[in-house]
Amino acid sequence: KQEVTQIPAALSVPEGENLVLNCSFTDSAIYNLQWFRQDPGKGLTSLLLIQSSQREQTSGRLNASLDKSSGRSTLYIAASQPGDSATYLCAVPGGKTSYDKVIFGPGTSLSVIP
Amino acid sequence: GAVVSQHPSWVICKSGTSVKIECRSLDFQATTMFWYRQFPKQSLMLMATSNEGSKATYEQGVEKDKFLINHASLTLSTLTVTSAHPEDSSFYICSASVAGQRTEAFFGQGTRLTVV
Repeated sequence: KQEVTQIPAALSVPEGENLVLNCSFTDSAIYNLQWFRQDPGKGLTSLLLIQSSQREQTSGRLNASLDKSSGRSTLYIAASQPGDSATYLCAVPGGKTSYDKVIFGPGTSLSVIP
Repeated sequence: GAVVSQHPSWVICKSGTSVKIECRSLDFQATTMFWYRQFPKQSLMLMATSNEGSKATYEQGVEKDKFLINHASLTLSTLTVTSAHPEDSSFYICSASVAGQRTEAFFGQGTRLTVV
């Protein structure tokens, strides 16, 4: 059974710092891994999707890496801004296809202090 | 990317009433839709999987008679919370996918349900 964990659970940093969020999954046979952002009381915003054949994906100040063999992914945020404050979730397909149900991690709550 | 629209975005209802939440895939036909629930300060948990034209499959611990799911067309799935109680207050979100044509599931905006 696939399980997803995230470390740390919460993180508070001053504006401008670079930071790394960690995600681990128990079953390395994944089709992809996705990072989402969730603002308080809001829905999900998809940030990055990494296919199983890829090692990393970049979008602006965000860079996500994937190491399937070790069951890990990291989300790197460069030059953090107060607007980055949110909960960050990683997720992997929970079944045998890439479009199956998604298993979410518990999230990392990020607070960027001006 | 594909668009999934969920309505309403928030709803307040009285205890004992029923509430219907709609999930629509706007630019693709979704053979499968998923419904998730998120309690305060917890992560999203799958409630049920619905396939067009067939009965939904519920996760363990989710009452199928309380959370009615209908997936009558390839673009619409509905979740009805029957006889809602305050403990049903939660954030509900749907996702949609289509076999063979998409490599990911796409999520709606979510619905914040408050039962008073």
